[in-house]
Amino acid sequence: EEQLVESGGGLVQPGGSLRLSCVVSGFTFSSYGMNWVRQAPGKGLEWLSYIASGTSTIFYADSVKGRFTISRDNAKNSLYLQMNSLRDEDTAVYYCVRNGGNNLDYWGQGTLVTVSS
Amino acid sequence: QAGLTQPPSVSKGLRQTATLTCTGNTNNVGNEGAAWLQQHQGHPPKLLSYKNNNRPSGISERFSASRSGNTASLTISGLQPEDEADYFCSAWDTSLTAVVFGGGTKLTVL
Repeated sequence: EEQLVESGGGLVQPGGSLRLSCVVSGFTFSSYGMNWVRQAPGKGLEWLSYIASGTSTIFYADSVKGRFTISRDNAKNSLYLQMNSLRDEDTAVYYCVRNGGNNLDYWGQGTLVTVSS
Repeated sequence: QAGLTQPPSVSKGLRQTATLTCTGNTNNVGNEGAAWLQQHQGHPPKLLSYKNNNRPSGISERFSASRSGNTASLTISGLQPEDEADYFCSAWDTSLTAVVFGGGTKLTVL
């Protein structure tokens, strides 16, 4: 069974940094591209970033380009999101999402990031 | 980044049929079609269909997707109480090199 478990969320002050992690199991992590998607409280879904299976291809949404960095460690079955210069509007649940057949096919339970002073 | 357009809410009766729409452009929905996701309150989204009408294993045949030009549709037949949820469409935008989402449609089953 495919499982994705995010961690690293919490309360951070504006301008601060956080590093999110996602550990996966139940599938061959190194064979799949991965995404981060977030959802602000009571709002819709916002795609943030994609990394290919071999890290050669990375894309970012304009809203986080230059502030967030996606990375992965295939040996550890782990996906990461380094978030710097955090703003109030970055408050959201952050989901780790597998890219299966160019679709967002498996989602983690999410980790909540709250940016507030 | 520009998103896809979905009606905010749709209400239908039990056992009726609901059709949800998602409008994009030639760079996203009109290119490779859309995927549909279902999200119940307090839970992560779940993939319902992709590339217009392919369903992952375990998804009921009551969910059927299609596309006409730049508009994708999700039809849910024989509505059940458990179908009450938020529904999001998504697509890869070749111009933005980004995934774009619709704002979501809240389906109420009366």
